[in-house]
This record gives sequence, structure tokens and C-alpha cells, in this order.
Amino acid sequence: AQSVAQPEDQVNVAEGNPLTVKCTYSVSGNPYLFWYVQYPNRGLQFLLKYITGDNLVKGSYGFEAEFNKSQTSFHLKKPSALVSDSALYFCAVRDAGRGYQKVTFGTGTKLQVIP
Amino acid sequence: DAGVIQSPRHEVTEMGQEVTLRCKPISGHDYLFWYRQTMMRGLELLIYFNNNVPIDDSGMPEDRFSAKMPNASFSTLKIQPSEPRDSAVYFCASSWGQGSNQPQHFGDGTRLSIL
Repeated sequence: AQSVAQPEDQVNVAEGNPLTVKCTYSVSGNPYLFWYVQYPNRGLQFLLKYITGDNLVKGSYGFEAEFNKSQTSFHLKKPSALVSDSALYFCAVRDAGRGYQKVTFGTGTKLQVIP
Repeated sequence: DAGVIQSPRHEVTEMGQEVTLRCKPISGHDYLFWYRQTMMRGLELLIYFNNNVPIDDSGMPEDRFSAKMPNASFSTLKIQPSEPRDSAVYFCASSWGQGSNQPQHFGDGTRLSIL
């Protein structure tokens, strides 16, 4: 069974400061990991993914995420937060084993960037 | 490129009525997913299709829910009869390829209110 945890319901950060949104996962095999963002009254939008290779993955809007296998984590980061980054962020995991596997989404973390 | 298109965007109806939600996936995508999002339960996968064939409907709440995909360009999610507890935002998503490392592309959802 696969699972993903986002331990913080909400993260507050001042505009211009670095931000981190945490995610830990559990899969039996190797993971495929994803981050999505959801703005009000919109669907989820894909930000970035980790498949294999470099542990630091760069994505849209200046976001990046660091894959840490030993800690089973995939934290989302951005060096300088913008007010427009305020949204709901979802981490997701899929087991990279044979065949198609369903994606498991986290419960979401609300990011509030304070001007 | 047109994204995933859902209709209607909002639906308000009375308990007991039939509700039909519609989805047009991105052209060329061979996987289609229906999700439900609520504050209490977060994002739940209801059913997904591959090449128009339902693969896993274990998330469908009960027999009142049914989904079809008559062709690669169209899917419906039907609730009959509807109940107030069905009130939620319903999302359709699509993705490409047998490889499970592809992200899902979400529509902007249908906000359903059952009175």
C-alpha cells in the first residue's frame, strides 16, 4: 500500500522569505512523486515531479522539490515567496512498480504568503 | 491546447433528482479519472478509465453513482437519486500513457449542491 502525509494543514510565510511545504511518503517499491497546486475555484495544476535521477527537481513558477530517499520525503521549496503563491498544495505518490498504479494524494497544505 | 473541460461548472438541484456531470479529456490522453473533493474527506478517487474501459471503480460511494465513457472524447458521472451528502466539487482529470510517471491534468470542476 502507498501513502503520503502532509503534516502541516497551513504554512504562513512572509513575502520574500523562503518557503517549504513538507511531504513524506510510503511505497513498497520506488516512488514517483508529484506536487500540484490548487487555486480557489480551480482544478489541481501540476507543478513538478520526481521520477529518477537528480534529487533536486525544478518545476513551474520557480518551485523546486528535494527528494530524500532515506527520509522518504519530498519537500516543496521556493527561495522567495510571492503573495500570488498563496494556494493549496498537494503532494502525491505512485508506486513505480509494474503496471499502472493509482495516485495517492495528500490532504493538502494551505500556503499563506503575508505581504 | 485545450485543457480538460467540465460542465456544468455549478449545479444546484433538489434531493432525489438525477445529476449528470460531463467531462471532455485532453485529446490523446488515454486515462480518465473522476475525483470528489470535500473539506471533510479531501480528494477522493471515484473511478478511472483506460482507453474508455473502467479499470477501478472501488471508490464509487454506492450504486447511486455511475460513470461511463462512450468514446475517447467524453465521459459522464451520474448520480441518481442525489442526496445532500453528495454535495462536493467533482473533478475530472486525464493523463497520457502506460507509463505511470505522467502527471494528471485536471478540469476546473463542477461544484454540486444538493438541497
